[in-house]
Amino acid sequence: GAGVSQSPRYKVAKRGQDVALRCDPISGHVSLFWYQQALGQGPEFLTYFQNEAQLDKSGLPSDRFFAERPEGSVSTLKIQRTQQEDSAVYLCASSSPVEDTQYFGPGTRLTVL
Amino acid sequence: SQQGEEDPQALSIQEGENATMNCSYKTSINNLQWYRQNSGRGLVHLILIRSNEREKHSGRLRVTLDTSKKSSSLLITASRAADTASYFCATDGMPGANSKLTFGKGITLSVRP
Repeated sequence: GAGVSQSPRYKVAKRGQDVALRCDPISGHVSLFWYQQALGQGPEFLTYFQNEAQLDKSGLPSDRFFAERPEGSVSTLKIQRTQQEDSAVYLCASSSPVEDTQYFGPGTRLTVL
Repeated sequence: SQQGEEDPQALSIQEGENATMNCSYKTSINNLQWYRQNSGRGLVHLILIRSNEREKHSGRLRVTLDTSKKSSSLLITASRAADTASYFCATDGMPGANSKLTFGKGITLSVRP
């Protein structure tokens, strides 16, 4: 079956621009996670949804970061007024209630100039 | 913040040799998972070991877990050039499929043909 998909795969933004990153989880997966991966580092947790409810947003680095999942499937991570330090790969993962494995999408590489 | 630390940071071996990678973590865990990441790609789940398990096998992979030492090892036997990638261990601290993962910085494995 189809895995987790993310779009766009690459995004270049000028500093100060707003960006929106999309994640399509595996069908039927109720849990959805966003992670940020800086160059040469492991992924770091940003936020977690169970269906449409955002249950944990403790990893969001600032109030410029906002995530939503209004219908409990597709999720969007929005970054307002992008800064150079926001440059990273943003990974989305989903999981089902019956297993603990998180399945990751290919990521969106964001470059802020 | 990173929970785990993998070692070595980089490993170069000849095709056919075995590769052993280690991971240490700091706090109590529910599960420990190993992921592989090829350059420019998303994370691929390799194997999950639960806190009450000591060893697990999957194909050419063998993972061990020592909760008293808060450490895990991943062994890849009979390595292939296609195993060249970065490998990450990730831990979660809560039961169920709703737990955020905490990753280490990763190990870069190069398998020479």
